[in-house]
Formats: sequence, structure tokens, C-alpha cells
Amino acid sequence: EDKVVQSPLSLVVHEGDTVTLNCSYEVTNFRSLLWYKQEKKAPTFLFMLTSSGIEKKSGRLSSILDKKELSSILNITATQTGDSAIYLCAVENYGGSQGNLIFGKGTKLSVKP
Amino acid sequence: NAGVTQTPKFQVLKTGQSMTLQCAQDMNHEYMSWYRQDPGMGLRLIHYSVGAGITDQGEVPNGYNVSRSTTEDFPLRLLSAAPSQTSVYFCASEGMTEAFFGQGTRLTVV
Repeated sequence: EDKVVQSPLSLVVHEGDTVTLNCSYEVTNFRSLLWYKQEKKAPTFLFMLTSSGIEKKSGRLSSILDKKELSSILNITATQTGDSAIYLCAVENYGGSQGNLIFGKGTKLSVKP
Repeated sequence: NAGVTQTPKFQVLKTGQSMTLQCAQDMNHEYMSWYRQDPGMGLRLIHYSVGAGITDQGEVPNGYNVSRSTTEDFPLRLLSAAPSQTSVYFCASEGMTEAFFGQGTRLTVV
């Protein structure tokens, strides 16, 4: 059965800290891995990763995929209180033209001032 | 979220009523999907579509119908609402390099 596991489930840090969120997966016909940030509303798209070893970066956030280890990490440097959210990892399995997104349960990040 | 319009934002239904949640995207994405999000369960796929005229079931399809008559629209129908369908529903639209969600519908079935 396809599954996506995120760790830790929750994390409390102080402003300025650097955090690393983990996502591991077991999925048949892997196509891509996506990261989202969810505050009290719809998930916001962060990254889509398809190739192993290539880092994607957006401001203080970066992510990299390791297809050999079936995992990805999301790094946030110099955290701010506005980074407090649930971070969701989703893996797309390839079925025909495009596949389904299988979500992990998320990592709840709390950044304290 | 860019290009995905989902309505309504809130809805209260009585058990047994039916309703349609609307979803439209203007990014010419072929792939659209519906999820429900429940506490402790994460996001679960209800139905998806890989293009106009093509739909398929996801993880939790029972009690829901979909159709995809155009690329832009992907409505979700609740046939006979049940309290177990109380949830937050998200429509998503995916292209080759990105995937966006609608703003969500908070549905309560009483």
C-alpha cells in the first residue's frame, strides 16, 4: 500500500532557529514529491521535486529529494513566527498521464518569538 | 491560491440533503482532484480526473459523485449527506510543475 510518512509530527522552535522536516515514502510508480504549507486555510504550494539531488530554493526554504532513500527534506533557515504552520508532504504516483497525490499527516511547526 | 476557485466556503446541510461543491480553474490543467481533510487523518483523495470526460475514484469515494464535462470545471456532488461527511473539502488542480488548492469548503452535516 502506498504511504507517505512525515516526521516529526510536531516541532517547537524559537525564532532564528533552523529546522529540517522529513518525508519518507513508499509509492509505486513515483512521479513527483510536493511540499505544502498549511495555515488556517488551504494548503499553499511550496515545491515540486522530480529529480534526485537537485535542491529547490525559495527564500529561506529549500528542499531536496533523495530517490535512493525514498525521502525528502524541507529546510527552513532563520525561522520566523510566520513560518508557524502545518507542512504537508505529498507524493504523486504515476498512473497514465498524471497520478494521485498521497499525503502525509503533516508536521506542525510552531515558532516562538 | 492562484487560479482555483472553489465555492461555497461554508455550508450546513441536513442529513439526507444533496448539494454540489463547485471547483473551477483557469490554468488549463488536465488533472483535478477533490480531497477531504479531517483531524488526525490528513488529506484524503475522494475523486480525481485526468482530463475532460475522465474521472476515477480515490481513497474515499463513497457518497460522492463527480463529472468533468470541461477542462475548467470539476464539481463534487454529495448525493445524500451524512454526518460522517462533515469535513473540510479541497479542490486541487495540477500542472506539470505545480499544484494548487482551492480555498476550501467547510461542510457541516447535522
